Amino acid sequence: QKEVEQNSGPLSVPEGAIASLNCTYSDRGSQSFFWYRQYSGKSPELIMSIYSNGDKEDGRFTAQLNKASQYVSLLIRDSQPSDSATYLCAVFTGGFKTIFGAGTRLFVKA
Amino acid sequence: KAGVTQTPRYLIKTRGQQVTLSCSPISGHRSVSWYQQTPGQGLQFLFEYFSETQRNKGNFPGRFSGRQFSNSRSEMNVSTLELGDSALYLCASSFSQGSVTGELFFGEGSRLTVL
Repeated sequence: QKEVEQNSGPLSVPEGAIASLNCTYSDRGSQSFFWYRQYSGKSPELIMSIYSNGDKEDGRFTAQLNKASQYVSLLIRDSQPSDSATYLCAVFTGGFKTIFGAGTRLFVKA
Repeated sequence: KAGVTQTPRYLIKTRGQQVTLSCSPISGHRSVSWYQQTPGQGLQFLFEYFSETQRNKGNFPGRFSGRQFSNSRSEMNVSTLELGDSALYLCASSFSQGSVTGELFFGEGSRLTVL
């Protein structure tokens, strides 16, 4: 079982729709959870971090964490073509190691 | 505030050679992590350094090594290069406090091609 699992996609949504990205992790001791966005040919950039159960909103982005279910999600409201990228779920598992999922490719159609 | 700087950005080597990559973290960040990114494997954790100490190492052969200097700059070395080492090598710095490594800030990467 992979430590951090994501649906590789591609996920295609029309402009203005909500994009929902999901991630599960295996280490129950994981402490911190992150979403990174990576455009083609670029390095990953942090878009959201979440540390406790519940929702965290930042602009059009909402991260959701459920530690009991070992589940993290990212919602992107009012999706724009500029949101087309690969979204990486990352989990700090302790031991000073952050593990990344394989990423979900998102396409937003104009 | 300057970001994470990686050098060189691109390099081509032949099998059997060795390579050294450099990373300068964001000022004030003492934690540096290295990752290998390939299309098939995604981002794979190589190692993490804090205050010149390697705190964790990923599942890579001993040909992959690294170190961190007193100014938090880090280098990684790959010896006896193999074709499969062709990848984007990413360095990320973090403001680590105690036992927690926080958000990672990535450099632009060093793209290594092994012929």
